[in-house]
Amino acid sequence: GDSVTQMEGPVTLSEEAFLTINCTYTATGYPSLFWYVQYPGEGLQLLLKATKADDKGSNKGFEATYRKETTSFHLEKGSVQVSDSAVYFCALSDSTQGGSEKLVFGKGTKLTVNP
Amino acid sequence: GAGVSQSPSNKVTEKGKDVELRCDPISGHTALYWYRQSLGQGLEFLIYFQGNSAPDKSGLPSDRFSAERTGGSVSTLTIQRTQQEDSAVYLCASSLGDYHTGELFFGEGSRLTVL
Repeated sequence: GDSVTQMEGPVTLSEEAFLTINCTYTATGYPSLFWYVQYPGEGLQLLLKATKADDKGSNKGFEATYRKETTSFHLEKGSVQVSDSAVYFCALSDSTQGGSEKLVFGKGTKLTVNP
Repeated sequence: GAGVSQSPSNKVTEKGKDVELRCDPISGHTALYWYRQSLGQGLEFLIYFQGNSAPDKSGLPSDRFSAERTGGSVSTLTIQRTQQEDSAVYLCASSLGDYHTGELFFGEGSRLTVL
């Protein structure tokens, strides 16, 4: 079945450091890929997405590029802020699932940014 | 509010008791999902409702778990004869049902503790 593997945390960085959170996937079809973020005390929310190979999703200074050849969708940010402290989830939605938006999530990576 | 509403936010119960968790999706959203978030396990898909179609129950872990969605709106997840391993945060999400957008709107979850 479809699956998502993301780097285990927790990740602790200083403010203005560079962030990479690795994500790779296995899918039977041609999935869309997503990053969701869960801030402390809040529900998950969509951060960015990409629906086809070589697409780059971006939002709030975060970026991720859909790499079909390496089945990866790594999340990056050039300069993190304390407010970026959250849990980040990589996810996929398989286009062969008959139109279902059922998402398969990774286990999440907790990021803490210190001032 | 306009977001996904879940109740109760916290539930402590004794092993063997039944529990009901409620989800009120965003008005107009035709798709509704239940996920379970356990420590270190990420988000586990439980069940998916889309309009009047038969629900996708493929993620329900046992026959003690059931869910219904009345009138295409509010959903109730029922866990019968709870076990300690059922302790988790149960997340509800809704979406427009627009294929490929991948944007699910999550509630803040119901934290279940089984003693």
